[in-house]
Amino acid sequence: EADIYQTPRYLVIGTGKKITLECSQTMGHDKMYWYQQDPGMELHLIHYSYGVNSTEKGDLSSESTVSRIRTEHFPLTLESARPSHTSQYLCASSDEDRASYEQYFGPGTRLTVT
Amino acid sequence: KNQVEQSPQSLIILEGKNCTLQCNYTVSPFSNLRWYKQDTGRGPVSLTIMTFSENTKSNGRYTATLDADTKQSSLHITASQLSDSASYICVVSDRGSTLGRLYFGRGTQLTVWP
Repeated sequence: EADIYQTPRYLVIGTGKKITLECSQTMGHDKMYWYQQDPGMELHLIHYSYGVNSTEKGDLSSESTVSRIRTEHFPLTLESARPSHTSQYLCASSDEDRASYEQYFGPGTRLTVT
Repeated sequence: KNQVEQSPQSLIILEGKNCTLQCNYTVSPFSNLRWYKQDTGRGPVSLTIMTFSENTKSNGRYTATLDADTKQSSLHITASQLSDSASYICVVSDRGSTLGRLYFGRGTQLTVWP
């Protein structure tokens, strides 16, 4: 099982609150990712990072922001949560093997904004 | 447009039976194709990864096939178990970026009944 962790696993929060979803990996991977997944739908990449101090937006526009101050840590922040942010958020990391780019996923955070 | 289509959308089988899930893709240039298993409320876990030159790969009771000419893949599950109940996601990576861009299907929801 991959050593990548997400907290909290479940979060119910009111509109307008600021939230931070935590993601940590102990595999020393440089590349990390955040995906958003709605029920029955495909994963959409919202943020990624090549390494420390590197962050990029993904394919799906998101009002969230990310930071990468340490290799092992890639938190995602929503400054003002809205009901449209209700979704599952999955963090992943990958190794440097260019042939496979195996991505290891965390267990996810199920966010509900009321 | 790069896409990954999976069928069927959902499938119910009895414990002990075999089943085959399908994946068609239009991703180009092609790098590799992965099958992931995603339990409800969890992150995806990799089952197999196949590159262009591989046309079959097994992982226990899971066997994946790849036809790069027709851009089709299948995942065959033998002697199904209750624990096989999950969403199975086909993911294709292109060769066009150092990120290893991934294209996700929506998954096949498999339910195994006793």
